[in-house]
Amino acid sequence: GESVGLHLPTLSVQEGDNSIINCAYSNSASDYFIWYKQESGKGPQFIIDIRSNMDKRQGQRVTVLLNKTVKHLSLQIAATQPGDSAVYFCAEKTGGFKTIFGAGTRLFVKA
Amino acid sequence: GAGVSQSPSNKVTEKGKDVELRCDPISGHTALYWYRQSLGQGLEFLIYFQGNSAPDKSGLPSDRFSAERTGGSVSTLTIQRTQQEDSAVYLCASSPQGQMNTEAFFGQGTRLTVV
Repeated sequence: GESVGLHLPTLSVQEGDNSIINCAYSNSASDYFIWYKQESGKGPQFIIDIRSNMDKRQGQRVTVLLNKTVKHLSLQIAATQPGDSAVYFCAEKTGGFKTIFGAGTRLFVKA
Repeated sequence: GAGVSQSPSNKVTEKGKDVELRCDPISGHTALYWYRQSLGQGLEFLIYFQGNSAPDKSGLPSDRFSAERTGGSVSTLTIQRTQQEDSAVYLCASSPQGQMNTEAFFGQGTRLTVV
């Protein structure tokens, strides 16, 4: 079936460096994409979203890039901080219906 | 409360027993999801409710799993004859409109341990 996957299950970065978390999706009909952050013991929380008619969207310290040609999504975190340590999930929606999540990437920030 | 509320937060049950997990979505949210998350794993879709439409049950792993949503609000996920492989965190999420491009808001989850 359709699925959203991640290239890197774990990522370790130095505090202050930029982080890039990647995601591949397989459903070319998906039109809405979301990044979630999940801290230990908590439910996932929304970070940023992007619609398929866009290729870039910026938030506070985060940027999401969408490449529909190769069905690739990435989350960039600028000046990574210890509080950014978490599991990050990408998710896709098709036609506004149920959300399908990827496997997740665990981000470790080294002080 | 302002967020999605799930209860209990932790549940330990013996193999073979039935369990009920509860989710109170954000008031006014018409869409409600249940997901399962095994330790160190991603989110596995279980079931999706949208308004008065028939729920999407395509993610339920077996007929031991069922879910209801009463009055378009509170939802209960029931697992009958629990097995050890059912041990996981069960997450509930709601969103304002299931057919719009909107984020889902998650509860803290119920950690189920089957012993």
